[in-house]
Amino acid sequence: DVKVTQSSRYLVKRTGEKVFLECVQDMDHENMFWYRQDPGLGLRLIYFSYDVKMKEKGDIPEGYSVSREKKERFSLILESASTNQTSMYLCASSFSGRGGTDTQYFGPGTRLTVL
Amino acid sequence: AQSVTQLDSQVPVFEEAPVELRCNYSSSVSVYLFWYVQYPNQGLQLLLKYLSGSTLVESINGFEAEFNKSQTSFHLRKPSVHISDTAEYFCAVSPTGGYQKVTFGTGTKLQVIP
Repeated sequence: DVKVTQSSRYLVKRTGEKVFLECVQDMDHENMFWYRQDPGLGLRLIYFSYDVKMKEKGDIPEGYSVSREKKERFSLILESASTNQTSMYLCASSFSGRGGTDTQYFGPGTRLTVL
Repeated sequence: AQSVTQLDSQVPVFEEAPVELRCNYSSSVSVYLFWYVQYPNQGLQLLLKYLSGSTLVESINGFEAEFNKSQTSFHLRKPSVHISDTAEYFCAVSPTGGYQKVTFGTGTKLQVIP
């Protein structure tokens, strides 16, 4: 089975802190994604990566950056956390991905609270 | 660009009753269609998907969805729900060309009442 793990299930940070969310997948997938999930808004794509060191902005990249130095690891960085970044963050990965046919496999999520 | 509309944010239904969760999409290009399910305190997992061929697709746990191109819909149905089906369901679309960028709907919470 594909396994996507996220470094923390729950995280509490203070406004202005730099926050790192880590995601690791064990199936050699090319594509990796970061979403945030908010009630009533569903999932919104923050960034995705289709190869090592490659990244593409999603729909809501402002206030975030990403890093993908190794194929299995995709990090989301909040440069200066703000209260409006309090949310559930979901990481996902998929194989190949060209043409959109491939299933995305999700991690369990990190619930981030910024005080 | 594409968009997905799930008009019902919550659907309560009694156990063993049928259910339909509605999904409509908008896109200027051909799309693939997906339903994902999120059980409480878990990440999302794929329930079923339409890529091509038969417009009716089925999941292993009794759900089915039908792609209707003329109505741009991909509604999810189950003839008899169980308590274990209580979850949030997300409809999603992805363009058939280019890199995979999936657009998700806002989700429908299915609450099965004993």
